[in-house]
Amino acid sequence: AQTVTQSQPEMSVQEAETVTLSCTYDTSENNYYLFWYKQPPSRQMILVIRQEAYKQQNATENRFSVNFQKAAKSFSLKISDSQLGDTAMYFCAFMTGSGNTGKLIFGQGTTLQVKP
Amino acid sequence: EAGVVQSPRYKIIEKKQPVAFWCNPISGHNTLYWYRQNLGQGPELLIRYENEEAVDDSQLPKDRFSAERLKGVDSTLKIQPAELGDSAVYLCASSSTWGIQYFGAGTRLSVL
Repeated sequence: AQTVTQSQPEMSVQEAETVTLSCTYDTSENNYYLFWYKQPPSRQMILVIRQEAYKQQNATENRFSVNFQKAAKSFSLKISDSQLGDTAMYFCAFMTGSGNTGKLIFGQGTTLQVKP
Repeated sequence: EAGVVQSPRYKIIEKKQPVAFWCNPISGHNTLYWYRQNLGQGPELLIRYENEEAVDDSQLPKDRFSAERLKGVDSTLKIQPAELGDSAVYLCASSSTWGIQYFGAGTRLSVL
């Protein structure tokens, strides 16, 4: 069974600085997808970034980038130039690659606070 | 384009009462998911629909939970009777064939 672990329950960062959120996962599959979702107090989960396991290049989306280490089963999220609006809970999630409509398996989440 | 719409946003009920949640997915999305998110944890899948068919309901407590997706569009999740441990946020998500799931704002259920 696949598992996702986020070992940092809470983190904080000063506005404009950089922060990295950690995520490790366990799977025996070779084809899968990894995601970071953001959940602000409004509760709506918002997709931040997505990585296909078969791609060696790390995904980037503006200020958000990932460090995908397939052999180590590690998938960290780096937020550059942190903004107050980045304050939220962040979830790492895994999805099997067999069929493209499988379920998401989430980690426990990391609460990020951006301080002015 | 409208996102995933859920109602109600909040629901407070007494234990043993029934409750229902409604979800309208993004237009054209054939896959619909219901997740339950306990306080301070990540969401866990309850049921997944492909059009009208429930293709994964292995995590749905079938003694008290039921769901339907008539006509393959909107969906209803029901709990009867509710227990104290059912207090959580119930999230609905939808996706097209390529798998990126878009979430609604959820329903926060409090069972007293």
